[in-house]
Amino acid sequence: DTAVSQTPKYLVTQMGNDKSIKCEQNLGHDTMYWYKQDSKKFLKIMFSYNNKELIINETVPNRFSPKSPDKAHLNLHINSLELGDSAVYFCASSQGLFYNEQFFGPGTRLTVL
Amino acid sequence: TQLLEQSPQFLSIQEGENLTVYCNSSSVFSSLQWYRQEPGEGPVLLVTVVTGGEVKKLKRLTFQFGDARKDSSLHITAAQPGDTGLYLCAGVGGSNYKLTFGKGTLLTVNP
Repeated sequence: DTAVSQTPKYLVTQMGNDKSIKCEQNLGHDTMYWYKQDSKKFLKIMFSYNNKELIINETVPNRFSPKSPDKAHLNLHINSLELGDSAVYFCASSQGLFYNEQFFGPGTRLTVL
Repeated sequence: TQLLEQSPQFLSIQEGENLTVYCNSSSVFSSLQWYRQEPGEGPVLLVTVVTGGEVKKLKRLTFQFGDARKDSSLHITAAQPGDTGLYLCAGVGGSNYKLTFGKGTLLTVNP
């Protein structure tokens, strides 16, 4: 069974479009995260949710909007996509805020043309 | 802002060699983690070190947390091709327990 799953795996789209990435975890964890990994492999946190409540919101353009319908899901919607949004986006989860082991999904490679 | 510097950025060695990867910061972290990431996959946690001076071993991998909890090292003995991957250190700090990642060390072990 996949612990943290993301869809789609690959996403190719034009500049200006709106797209969503979905994430689900079946680990029963309370905390979920979105990370962005750039072309140089630098992994940076974007958002974290704990029990559906937004905890971390890094300096991310407001074109990015996370949504957590329940503890097991954290989706990422991106409006008006730009070339610089091209990256691999990882979803992760942890048992709770104080449990630092994070389980990562396989990533979504977003390419904006 | 807490920053973690990893070195070297790239490392290519022959099977059987030893290597050390370093992770340094001017900030104190409550704990430090090491992850390994393989192509097309997400990072996987290898170890968490919590106490200053702590040493943990995972088969041929030895992890050390600095006394001041600002730095860490990963030593691999007799590297094997299966050790190839991107090694990431990540520090835990701040009131929201945010993970701050280093920029990674891309290790290639040639047979």
